[in-house]
Amino acid sequence: GENVEQHPSTLSVQEGDSAVIKCTYSDSASNYFPWYKQELGKRPQLIIDIRSNVGEKKDQRIAVTLNKTAKHFSLHITETQPEDSAVYFCAASFSGNTPLVFGKGTRLSVIA
Amino acid sequence: DSGVTQTPKHLITATGQRVTLRCSPRSGDLSVYWYQQSLDQGLQFLIHYYNGEERAKGNILERFSAQQFPDLHSELNLSSLELGDSALYFCASSVESGRALRGNEQFFGPGTRLTVL
Repeated sequence: GENVEQHPSTLSVQEGDSAVIKCTYSDSASNYFPWYKQELGKRPQLIIDIRSNVGEKKDQRIAVTLNKTAKHFSLHITETQPEDSAVYFCAASFSGNTPLVFGKGTRLSVIA
Repeated sequence: DSGVTQTPKHLITATGQRVTLRCSPRSGDLSVYWYQQSLDQGLQFLIHYYNGEERAKGNILERFSAQQFPDLHSELNLSSLELGDSALYFCASSVESGRALRGNEQFFGPGTRLTVL
């Protein structure tokens, strides 16, 4: 089955700097890659996703890139703010109603 | 607010007991997924229901069972509870596959925090 590895497990950045979180997946049939942000004690919230027919997607300060050949995808957050501090999870699945396989999460701390 | 509701928010019970967690998906969503989140295991998929039928099973113990009812709400039953079952239990819902552009976006409910003493 699918296996998703996520790095780093913790990340501290200064406010205003960029943060990059990387994930690799094992199943070349996976074609949907969402990123979730989870604040302490709250639900995971979808912040951006990418499908395998696209190499990059941006939404304001957040971008995701996908390299299908290497089977890895990354989350980029620019101009980080203290409210970006949270745990970020990457995931992979087939599209069309299949379970998500999550990475183990990255705890991002943005230091003011 | 994702539109997915879960009850109860918190549940404290003793080892050996049985509990039922409830999830109502977003309006129009036919799929319900259950995930378990414990400190050392991250988010683990338990089971998936689509329009009342079981679609996939993940790392779900035999002591756990689930079902999805005709009104599409779902219940996760946990029995013979052990200390290690203490975790956050999330359900997520998604739109029906085949709807262009939006397949498989999963929206999570607020979770039920289960504490087994």
